[in-house]
Amino acid sequence: DAMVIQNPRYQVTQFGKPVTLSCSQTLNHNVMYWYQQKSSQAPKLLFHYYDKDFNNEADTPDNFQSRRPNTSFCFLDIRSPGLGDAAMYLCATSRGRGTEAFFGQGTRLTVV
Amino acid sequence: QKEVEQDPGPLSVPEGAIVSLNCTYSNSAFQYFMWYRQYSRKGPELLMYTYSSGNKEDGRFTAQVDKSSKYISLFIRDSQPSDSATYLCAMLQGAQKLVFGQGTRLTINP
Repeated sequence: DAMVIQNPRYQVTQFGKPVTLSCSQTLNHNVMYWYQQKSSQAPKLLFHYYDKDFNNEADTPDNFQSRRPNTSFCFLDIRSPGLGDAAMYLCATSRGRGTEAFFGQGTRLTVV
Repeated sequence: QKEVEQDPGPLSVPEGAIVSLNCTYSNSAFQYFMWYRQYSRKGPELLMYTYSSGNKEDGRFTAQVDKSSKYISLFIRDSQPSDSATYLCAMLQGAQKLVFGQGTRLTINP
């Protein structure tokens, strides 16, 4: 049974057109992460939530925003996607301090 | 210098061989260590999680941590073609931030 679910698996969007990726979890974990992974590169942390507390990475572009309306759901909003934003976007969850993270299957974003 | 260094490979070994994958790190604040397996176009799958120096075994997989040398390893015994994937080491910095190595691409040849 999938515990971290990302929708859609594949997303094609137009250059400059806002897009939202979604993540849900059935684990009731406190922490939810969004990572960006480009081909043959390590996942790069964009931001994470500890419960409702939002933690942005210093080098995450303002173009990327996130919302967590409740424990189960978290959204990644890309306000004006550029060609350089084409990547796999990974959502992950963990219980909290010092615990392992579990990933969803990712959403592959294509920008045309 | 990257916080976590991992040889990207590619690494190709025959079926049945013992595979050794390694990462080094520079930040002594890292306390928790994980290994993930990632198949092409899929999300990372957690293989091993450990937080102390020494060995941890799970089936054909053994994770080894040497905090004094800032060095971690993953050993795969009796490797199978289905083990062909990219293996990512990851380390937990502070309470929640997970930092990844670049990943090693592994191919097991039948």
